[in-house]
Amino acid sequence: SQELEQSPQSLIVQEGKNLTINCTSSKTLYGLYWYKQKYGEGLIFLMMLQKGGEEKSHEKITAKLDEKKQQSSLHITASQPSHAGIYLCGADDRGSTLGRLYFGRGTQLTVWP
Amino acid sequence: DTAVSQTPKYLVTQMGNDKSIKCEQNLGHDTMYWYKQDSKKFLKIMFSYNNKELIINETVPNRFSPKSPDKAHLNLHINSLELGDSAVYFCASSHGAGSRAFFGQGTRLTVV
Repeated sequence: SQELEQSPQSLIVQEGKNLTINCTSSKTLYGLYWYKQKYGEGLIFLMMLQKGGEEKSHEKITAKLDEKKQQSSLHITASQPSHAGIYLCGADDRGSTLGRLYFGRGTQLTVWP
Repeated sequence: DTAVSQTPKYLVTQMGNDKSIKCEQNLGHDTMYWYKQDSKKFLKIMFSYNNKELIINETVPNRFSPKSPDKAHLNLHINSLELGDSAVYFCASSHGAGSRAFFGQGTRLTVV
């Protein structure tokens, strides 16, 4: 199975600041997913990356997958309190044909006004 | 309209009891999962079902028994609940490899 290392574990930023969360795998990532979780709620899908060098953006959030497909970053520009939550990266386990998702341990983001 | 729905949302019960959590998806997915999120927010897969058949059992105690009556449902039954079973349990579904998973809202289980 793949293991995903997320950093930092927690992040506290002032509103308006930019921030980056990283997700690193020891193996090639065939599918990398970013989810966000607010306290007491389910996981909200943010983005999926599959190709080396791929980059996707949605509103103020940009996710990238490096060329080697072993590292992904999630960048938030001009953070807002609504961005607060736990960010989780997940990856397909290609050892199984069923798309089993493994997750990193998450990054707790706090944005203070 | 909810894509993946779980019930109940909260469950408080005593040690030794047996309880069930229900999950339903209306997305037409073939694959369903149960995940456990511990107090440190680590999300770990427990089971995976494909077309009502168990595919993955991630070394979960046999007190946990998933049941899939049809492709749209995957229920989780837990026998002889222990304090360590307290966690948030998430149901999810997907089309399989290479496709995103849709998650339910979670069931917060507290064993006292």
